[in-house]
Amino acid sequence: QVQLQQWGAGLLKPSETLSHTCAVYGGSFSIYYWSWIRQSPGKGLEWIGEINRSGSTNYNPSLRSRVTLSVDTSNNQFSLKLTSVTAADTAVYYCARRYGGFDNWGQGILVTVSS
Amino acid sequence: IVMTQTPLSLSVTPGQPASISCKSSQSLFHTDKKTYLYWYLQKPGQPPQLLIYEAFNRLSGVPDRFSGRGSGTDFTLTISRVEAEDFGVYYCLQSIQLPPTFGQGTKVDI
Repeated sequence: QVQLQQWGAGLLKPSETLSHTCAVYGGSFSIYYWSWIRQSPGKGLEWIGEINRSGSTNYNPSLRSRVTLSVDTSNNQFSLKLTSVTAADTAVYYCARRYGGFDNWGQGILVTVSS
Repeated sequence: IVMTQTPLSLSVTPGQPASISCKSSQSLFHTDKKTYLYWYLQKPGQPPQLLIYEAFNRLSGVPDRFSGRGSGTDFTLTISRVEAEDFGVYYCLQSIQLPPTFGQGTKVDI
C-alpha cells in the first residue's frame, strides 16, 4: 500500500519561497511521475508540475517561472519550491502519484500567504 | 484542455440515481486506444479519491453503483442508487495532454 506523507511551512509572507517535501512509502518509486497539485477556492484544482525518478520534469506553464521540482531517490522523496509567493498562492498543496490519473495523494497542507 | 462539468450542484435523494456530465474541449481518446478521463470524489478535509479511470474502469474497492461512460469529448458519471456516503464534490480530470486539468467540480448533497 503506497502512502504519501508531505510536510512544509503553512504560513508565508509575500515574496517568500514555499518549500514542501513529499515522502513515498511502499510501492515503486521508479515507474511513476510524482506531482504537486494545489486547490484554492478561486481556482479549483490546479496541477503545478511533476518529476520522475530520473529528474525529468514537466511544469504548468502558468507557474513555470516560479517552480522548481527536485527528487531524492535515496529517500524516495520529492520536493517543491515556489518562489515569490503572493496571496494568490494561498491554497491546499497536495503531492500525488500519477500513472495516467492521480491514484495516490498526500494528506495536503494548507498554505496561507499573508503579511 | 478545458474540462466543463454540469451541473455544478446536485441534490439527490438516497436510493435515486444521479448523473454528472463532463465535457472536454478536445478528444481524450489516445492512439494507444485508451481514453484519459478520470473521476474523483472529494470529501471535506480529504484529498480527492480516484473512482473511475480511463473513462469507465472502476478502481478496486469502488462500489459497482458507480459507473463511467462516454467517449471522445463527452463523459458521464452515474450513481445508480445514491447512498448517504456518496456526498461530496465530484471532479473529472483529463491527462491526455499536459497540463492535466480538472473540471470545476459538482457538489452532491444528499
